[in-house]
Amino acid sequence: QQQVKQSPQSLIVQKGGISIINCAYENTAFDYFPWYQQFPGKGPALLIAIRPDVSEKKEGRFTISFNKSAKQFSLHIMDSQPGDSATYFCAALNTGNQFYFGTGTSLTVIP
Amino acid sequence: ETGVTQSPTHLIKTRGQQVTLRCSSQSGHNTVSWYQQALGQGPQFIFQYYREEENGRGNFPPRFSGLQFPNYSSELNVNALELDDSALYLCASSLEGGNSYEQYFGPGTRLTVT
Repeated sequence: QQQVKQSPQSLIVQKGGISIINCAYENTAFDYFPWYQQFPGKGPALLIAIRPDVSEKKEGRFTISFNKSAKQFSLHIMDSQPGDSATYFCAALNTGNQFYFGTGTSLTVIP
Repeated sequence: ETGVTQSPTHLIKTRGQQVTLRCSSQSGHNTVSWYQQALGQGPQFIFQYYREEENGRGNFPPRFSGLQFPNYSSELNVNALELDDSALYLCASSLEGGNSYEQYFGPGTRLTVT
């Protein structure tokens, strides 16, 4: 059973556009929600993260929006650049120190 | 400050064999987690070690085992390899157990079982 559901599977965006990736979860025990960026041949790199007591967090061009009641969170990449082309994973951490990852979104930013 | 390193980069094994993968944590980090990432999927949690003790385990059989050493480097051992064990194995280190929120991943070891 997939604990964290991620969509879309792939995304193509024009340079300068907004990329939006969505995740949903069921387990209310999750208390930390990070996003990771992974380039081919590399391990995932922490991009930005949020706790459930905050509805939005912004770091540069990256913003997480969090809806606790709907059990959904999303990543927004503003002014998307070709260098942002990568696979993005959402994740959720439970109190047992176990991270659950989404299935990933392959983002392609067209120049 | 050095990042997380893993060895080897690639490995080919035969079904039924045993394999040991190694991870060197980021300097100062005392917690390490291991993940299995199948092609086109997100990482799946195998287990976590904190101060040389297992500190949580995912849904993996006992033939997946680990060790963490006093210098916080660690090993993932897999016995009786199966074809489905073919995957990218990632380790991630973090500072302090209990609240290991920020994890830093290594580049992974690509294991192929034939």
